[in-house]
Amino acid sequence: AQSVTQLGSHVSVSEGALVLLRCNYSSSVPPYLFWYVQYPNQGLQLLLKYTTGATLVKGINGFEAEFKKSETSFHLTKPSAHMSDAAEYFCAVSDTGSNYKLTFGKGTLLTVNP
Amino acid sequence: EPEVTQTPSHQVTQMGQEVILRCVPISNHLYFYWYRQILGQKVEFLVSFYNNEISEKSEIFDDQFSVERPDGSNFTLKIRSTKLEDSAMYFCASRAGLFEQYFGPGTRLTVT
Repeated sequence: AQSVTQLGSHVSVSEGALVLLRCNYSSSVPPYLFWYVQYPNQGLQLLLKYTTGATLVKGINGFEAEFKKSETSFHLTKPSAHMSDAAEYFCAVSDTGSNYKLTFGKGTLLTVNP
Repeated sequence: EPEVTQTPSHQVTQMGQEVILRCVPISNHLYFYWYRQILGQKVEFLVSFYNNEISEKSEIFDDQFSVERPDGSNFTLKIRSTKLEDSAMYFCASRAGLFEQYFGPGTRLTVT
């Protein structure tokens, strides 16, 4: 069975500071990894994904994540936070053997302070 | 840009009543999903649907739940007899090919 652990249910940064949201996964087969963002009263929007190939993946809004197999991690980073980045972020894993269903972490609420 | 839509945005119902949550997936997508998120908890998979049949369901998806694609565009989730613990945000998602699922804005179901 797959699982995702997001360390820190709430992360607070200052505008312009580095954003680091942590995600560790467990999967018995090569995983596909995703980060989704949820703004208030909206659905889940895909930020970026890792499937195969390059382990550093870039997404929308300046976010990127690095797949580290040895650490079973897929942490999300952004060099400089913007007020508009305030949202909830979900890490998720899927694989070909599970109809590509997504298994989500509990989410991390990002607050950006002026 | 094509998007997944869901109606209603908020549904209030009494315990024991039947509810139908509606979703219109992106038109050329073939794979459909329902997820739910109980307040303060993680998003959980309920069911996946392909080629007019359920391809996988979670243990949450018991006999009280059913899904249907009645007319080639809508994708519905029915809860036959709602319980208080069914109160949650329900998300529909669809997928064309590999990997990426596109989510709707969700329906907030409140069971009183």
